[in-house]
Amino acid sequence: EVQLVESGGGLVQPGGSLRLSCAASGFTFKNYWMSWVRQAPGKGLEWVANIKEDGSEIYYVDSVKGRFTISRDNAKNSLYLQMNSLRAEDTAVYYCAREGDHSAGYWGQGILVTVSS
Amino acid sequence: DVVMTQSPLSLPVTLGQPASISCRSSQSLVHSDGNTYLNWFQQRPGQSPRRLIYKVSNRDSGVPDRFSGSGSGTDFTLKISRVEAEDVGVYYCMQGTYWHWTFGQGTKVEIK
Repeated sequence: EVQLVESGGGLVQPGGSLRLSCAASGFTFKNYWMSWVRQAPGKGLEWVANIKEDGSEIYYVDSVKGRFTISRDNAKNSLYLQMNSLRAEDTAVYYCAREGDHSAGYWGQGILVTVSS
Repeated sequence: DVVMTQSPLSLPVTLGQPASISCRSSQSLVHSDGNTYLNWFQQRPGQSPRRLIYKVSNRDSGVPDRFSGSGSGTDFTLKISRVEAEDVGVYYCMQGTYWHWTFGQGTKVEIK
């Protein structure tokens, strides 16, 4: 069974940093693109970033470029999102997702990030 | 960016009756590989999103056959043949043809 478990969320002040982690199990992690998708409170879904199987290709939504860094450790079956210079508008539930057919076939339970003073 | 527009945004339905959600993209979703990467997701209250349909009309494992997807180019539809209570939630279309992926605004399905 595919499992994706996010961790590392919480309350952070504007301008601060946070690192999210996603522990993957139940599939061969190194064989899949992975993504982060977020959802602001009461709002819709927004794709944030994704990373190729070997980390050689990475894409970001414009609003996080230069502030967020996606990475992975295939030896640890883990996906990461380093978030710097956080803004109030980054407040959201962040989901880790496994890609398949140019889509997010499996999702984690999500982790809340709140940016507030 | 490709803009995905759903309608309606709110859909009250009667149990056992059909429901239909429309999704239109600002440009054709036909990929250079010949596939059309249009997906549908369901998000029940308090839950993570779940993919229902990928590549326009392919149901994910475990998705009831009352859900069906259709369409081509820029115009797509999700249909529920007979709405059940467990279908309440928000439905999103999403395109995976172009970087970056983009979602529709969501359609809230509720029981009348």
